[in-house]
Amino acid sequence: SYELSQPVSVSVAPGQTARLTCGQNDIGSKNVHWFQQKPGQAPVLVIYRDSSRPSGIPERFSGSNSGNTATLTISRAQVEDEADYYCQVWASSTAVVFGGGTKLTVL
Amino acid sequence: QVQLVQSGAEVKKPGASVKVSCKASGYTFNYDLHWVRQASGQGLEWVGWMNPDSGNTGYAQKFQGRVTITRDTSISTAYVEVSSLRSEDTAVYYCATGPSGYDSHFEDWGQGTLVTVSS
Repeated sequence: SYELSQPVSVSVAPGQTARLTCGQNDIGSKNVHWFQQKPGQAPVLVIYRDSSRPSGIPERFSGSNSGNTATLTISRAQVEDEADYYCQVWASSTAVVFGGGTKLTVL
Repeated sequence: QVQLVQSGAEVKKPGASVKVSCKASGYTFNYDLHWVRQASGQGLEWVGWMNPDSGNTGYAQKFQGRVTITRDTSISTAYVEVSSLRSEDTAVYYCATGPSGYDSHFEDWGQGTLVTVSS
């Protein structure tokens, strides 16, 4: 079955850059979407189609995708960015897959 | 703006069925509507989708035969029904929508509905 690999946790100091990865063979050929989820809340789309940012999402969120790794980059990380982050792709025309999620700690 | 409002929490016994609703507003009820679930402390798991216009559906392989997604276009509401419930189905169920079609992303989400399966 198709799986996406994400590190379980990432830590970053406030003001530094956090890079969250999502791995799968040839993921660069797919469109990757990223979601942020805070405790007790529904997920929020932060990046779609590898690098597009929905309205209302801060410019410090950016994305890239090449080869076997997609990356969500959070520049100048803030305490409010602390959350779980999930990548997502369409594995086929009939199957959506989420990564296992990365817990981002900002401290 | 797009709003998805889900029905309230449910408690069901093993073997029973549950039906969760998702009422859409703020747009024409024609975007693909997906269902995603999340067990406590776990990640997101895609359940399936429906196009409200055509009624076409698709399901994750593990749910085929046990999950049914339907809609009532007259009230802009989609439903997910899970039958033969087991404890592993205990989770928050979310509906989500966005541009229709393959490779689309989920722009808007409902608030989630907790389904608890317990004897």
